[in-house]
Amino acid sequence: QKEVEQNSGPLSVPEGAIASLNCTYSDRVSQSFFWYRQYSGKSPELIMSIYSNGDKEDGRFTAQLNKASQYVSLLIRDSQPSDSATYLCAVRVGGYQKVTFGTGTKLQVIP
Amino acid sequence: DAGITQSPRHKVTETGTPVTLRCHQTENHRYMYWYRQDPGHGLRLIHYSYGVKDTDKGEVSDGYSVSRSKTEDFLLTLESATSSQTSVYFCAGTDEEYNEQFFGPGTRLTVL
Repeated sequence: QKEVEQNSGPLSVPEGAIASLNCTYSDRVSQSFFWYRQYSGKSPELIMSIYSNGDKEDGRFTAQLNKASQYVSLLIRDSQPSDSATYLCAVRVGGYQKVTFGTGTKLQVIP
Repeated sequence: DAGITQSPRHKVTETGTPVTLRCHQTENHRYMYWYRQDPGHGLRLIHYSYGVKDTDKGEVSDGYSVSRSKTEDFLLTLESATSSQTSVYFCAGTDEEYNEQFFGPGTRLTVL
């Protein structure tokens, strides 16, 4: 089992809809969770961090964490064509400075 | 993060040639990382550093070495490049206050 798993997609949503991206992780002592956005040919860009159970909102983005079920999700409201990118989930195990990345979910927002 | 730069941005080399990639940062990150990114594999950690002259291996370190003689610079060396090392290489640094990693722009390396 991979340490961090994501559906590779592509996930296609119409413009204005809510895009829901999911990620599961295997290490129960994981403490920090991150979502990165990566446009084609560019480097990953951090868009959300979440450390405790529940929801964290930042503009059109909401990260949701459920440690009991070992999943973290990212919701993008009012999706725009500019949101079309690959979204990487990343997990840091407590006490370590190394982060494990999922392989990413490709999101396509259809105008 | 504009505080992390990489050079060169693109490089084409031949099998058996030594190659050094440079990462330079102005953010005073203590922790620095080198990743490679390949289709189907995502980002994989090659080596990381937790201070000047303090480095350790990641999950795909074979064929790579690193050096960090000062906080600002973290070098990745391919002693004898192979075609399997054709990839995009990213350098990253950690903001320790929030344990968030920020990436440089990447280097696309092609080994012929």
